[in-house]
Amino acid sequence: DAKTTQPNSMESNEEEPVHLPCNHSTISGTDYIHWYRQLPSQGPEYVIHGLTSNVNNRMASLAIAEDRKSSTLILHRATLRDAAVYYCILRASTGANNLFFGTGTRLTVIP
Amino acid sequence: DAGVTQSPTHLIKTRGQQVTLRCSPKSGHDTVSWYQQALGQGPQFIFQYYEEEERQRGNFPDRFSGHQFPNYSSELNVNALLLGDSALYLCASSLLPGPQYFGPGTRLTVL
Repeated sequence: DAKTTQPNSMESNEEEPVHLPCNHSTISGTDYIHWYRQLPSQGPEYVIHGLTSNVNNRMASLAIAEDRKSSTLILHRATLRDAAVYYCILRASTGANNLFFGTGTRLTVIP
Repeated sequence: DAGVTQSPTHLIKTRGQQVTLRCSPKSGHDTVSWYQQALGQGPQFIFQYYEEEERQRGNFPDRFSGHQFPNYSSELNVNALLLGDSALYLCASSLLPGPQYFGPGTRLTVL
């Protein structure tokens, strides 16, 4: 399975935008880029996913580089409830959709 | 919609014992995946069930087994428990090719 690389931790001030980077230089043409987050004492929560084009939903935006070797999860206005571990995961478009989690980025939001 | 539910919430067992964990998927979902999350680590894929059969398996020994019932609910069984099996066990459901939705997990402690 293709690997992803994320910073171990990041900090953001409350109500400011947050850009969480992810490198995936060995991504294949059929891999989707998924983002999940895990709040303290909870199971992971789906955030967003994309293939080639940038994606927006009510939670976040996903910006995908033109060569697809990196992507950025954008939280437009960080709140204290966004403090979590964010995982960037590559998932094949066919077959079983099991997820391979790395260690993710721990986001701290400063009030 | 109740989402993914898991039982029990917490469980304490001793080495050598056997344990069964249960999962009810989100309404409309037919695929169930199980993950193990050690403290401070990302979740690790155990196996996935679809149409009552194991569809894919991660790198876990045969002591870990599972079952999916006709109503799509699932069980995870672990035999001959080891201290290293202490972890948070997460169940996720999906309707392929959509994203996975996770339950709150079962915290297993092996003494």
